[in-house]
Amino acid sequence: QVQLQESGPGLVKPSETLSLNCTVSGGSISNYYWSWIRQPPGKGLEWIGYIYYSGSTNYNPSLKSRVTISLDTSKNQFSLKLSSVTAADTAVYYCARQSSYASHMGYWGQGTLVTVSS
Amino acid sequence: EIVLTQSPGTLSLSPGERATLSCRASQTISSNYLAWYQQKPGQAPRLLIYGASSRATGIPDRFSGSGSGTDFTLTISRLEPEDFAVYYCQQYGSSPHTFGQGTKLEIK
Repeated sequence: QVQLQESGPGLVKPSETLSLNCTVSGGSISNYYWSWIRQPPGKGLEWIGYIYYSGSTNYNPSLKSRVTISLDTSKNQFSLKLSSVTAADTAVYYCARQSSYASHMGYWGQGTLVTVSS
Repeated sequence: EIVLTQSPGTLSLSPGERATLSCRASQTISSNYLAWYQQKPGQAPRLLIYGASSRATGIPDRFSGSGSGTDFTLTISRLEPEDFAVYYCQQYGSSPHTFGQGTKLEIK
C-alpha cells in the first residue's frame, strides 16, 4: 500500500521560501507523476504542479514564477519550494501521486498546514 | 484554463435520499478526464470517480459518475451517514489541472 507523508516547517516568514518534502513508502517513486496541491483554510483545492520521475515538471501558471518541484530518487522523496511567500500562501499542502501526466490523483498524503506569518 | 463550476454550493438531504451533484466546465474536457473527490473535515481528499464514470478501488457502488464534454454529474443513490462531506470535481485533461469550488453535502 503506497503511503505519502509531507514534512517541513509549519511556520514561514513573509518573503521567505516555503520548503516541504513528501516521502513515499510502500512503492517506488519511479514511473509515476508526483503532485503538490494546496488548500487555504476553509477554501477549495488548488493544483500547484507535478514532477515526473525523469525530472520533467509542469506548474500552474499562477504560481510558476515562484515554484520549484524536485525529486530525490535515492530517498524516494520529492520536494516543493515556493519562494517570496505571503499570507495568501497559508494553506494545507498535500502531496499526491498520479499515474500519468493526464491522470487523477489516487494516493494522497495527509497534508501539512503551513502558516505564513512574522 | 478550464474553470469548473459546481452546483449546488450546499445540498441538504437526509440519509437514504438520492444526491445529485453537478460539475460544469467552461470548455470541453478532453477524453472525459474528470475526477470526483470526497473530503471530510481534517482529512485529505479521497478519490471516488475517475474518467468521469469509473469508480476507484474500494468505492461503494452507490457512488456513480456520468457525463461528457462540459457537463458531469456525481450521483449517490442512497445516502449513508458517512457520505456527508464536501465533494470536488477536478479536470486533468488540460494544464493547469483545475478543481471545482466544491459542493457541501449536509444532513437535513
